[in-house]
Amino acid sequence: GAVVSQHPSRVICKSGTSVKIECRSLDFQATTMFWYRQFPKQSLMLMATSNEGSKATYEQGVEKDKFLINHASLTLSTLTVTSAHPEDSSFYICSAMRAEAFFGQGTRLTVV
Amino acid sequence: GENVEQHPSTLSVQEGDSAVIKCTYSDSASNYFPWYKQELGKGPQLIIDIRSNVGEKKDQRIAVTLNKTAKHFSLHITETQPEDSAVYFCAASLMDSNYQLIWGAGTKLIIKP
Repeated sequence: GAVVSQHPSRVICKSGTSVKIECRSLDFQATTMFWYRQFPKQSLMLMATSNEGSKATYEQGVEKDKFLINHASLTLSTLTVTSAHPEDSSFYICSAMRAEAFFGQGTRLTVV
Repeated sequence: GENVEQHPSTLSVQEGDSAVIKCTYSDSASNYFPWYKQELGKGPQLIIDIRSNVGEKKDQRIAVTLNKTAKHFSLHITETQPEDSAVYFCAASLMDSNYQLIWGAGTKLIIKP
């Protein structure tokens, strides 16, 4: 099946710094990718829809200036958590569509 | 908009028995219903899906049934094994250019040896 690679799998950063998470579709082109956030023991919460060559569409309540999304090519979308705070600590997951949704491995972000 | 409810939140079954997880959806326009398995610390993995033009689909020990009239769909796992222990999520989507998935809350499946 199709493969979506997400990197890094784990990251620890200090409060106030920025962290970039990459999501790559390895064997197909994805015009649309999705970014999710997942808290422990909860379902996936859609943060934004990333569209290649255009601005991302953010869900209500998600700060677009804090969670910067760039989809510069058909195989790469990035999520940058800017000025991270401890409450941003979470599991972030990306997905790309090709007939079905393929998910990355997730990124565990811990802000200390 | 679409809303998906999933039950139960936790399910514990004896190894070898069957497990059934149920979901209901609200938007009759939804036409794609996938099920995902998520192991701890990993991203969700598609295990089976069904489109609205069929009522049942089976893949070895896993099956999904869809009742469009009642707007509910179920995941059936037979002959459960310890490696089936995970969190399972259902989702619903309208397969247009957006493909946005609306997720259920998840079911933690525990297989007792």
